[in-house]
Amino acid sequence: GAVVSQHPSRVICKSGTSVKIECRSLDFQATTMFWYRQFPKQSLMLMATSNEGSKATYEQGVEKDKFLINHASLTLSTLTVTSAHPEDSSFYICSAQTGDFDQPQHFGDGTRLSIL
Amino acid sequence: RKEVEQDPGPFNVPEGATVAFNCTYSNSASQSFFWYRQDCRKEPKLLMSVYSSGNEDGRFTAQLNRASQYISLLIRDSKLSDSATYLCVVNQGGKLIFGQGTELSVKP
Repeated sequence: GAVVSQHPSRVICKSGTSVKIECRSLDFQATTMFWYRQFPKQSLMLMATSNEGSKATYEQGVEKDKFLINHASLTLSTLTVTSAHPEDSSFYICSAQTGDFDQPQHFGDGTRLSIL
Repeated sequence: RKEVEQDPGPFNVPEGATVAFNCTYSNSASQSFFWYRQDCRKEPKLLMSVYSSGNEDGRFTAQLNRASQYISLLIRDSKLSDSATYLCVVNQGGKLIFGQGTELSVKP
């Protein structure tokens, strides 16, 4: 159980393109979904937290107009990297959680984004 | 000071060895604690939750000491397949704070 699917797994595109990443909880309803970014040899860093039907909460230093998050249902959240530039190249990972905030988060398999 | 600090790696051990990872956290209000495993270029996978009473799952034992804000993970009889980066993770008000990870390499 607790499977989280993330799509696409790999994206290579030109600078200026907007890229949409989907995160789905397949066998449970996720009250909260999280978006992380991981640069090479670094820790995962939380970008934003989203709850179904409400606006995402962004971490300090993360531009909400750059990284658009939509959490339309209890099983789907999307992250759109708008007008992506090479410095946005990173490993983007979502996670989903059900129940109380102290429950484990279950991670998607990540999206490797490369902006040329 | 980092919020979650782990032993620097990498740890290179032979098969069958016992290896221990240490982790400290700075925020005493942290609510829950986990060890995750991350393979190269993959997503983190939950290994186990950590409790003050200790938690054992096969060859893996995790321990939490709230007084000293210290978390440990012990791997006994290590296997080649245990090679990965081990992430100490602390939940603070619903947010997961990740340590930088400790890389383990188990050699034949």
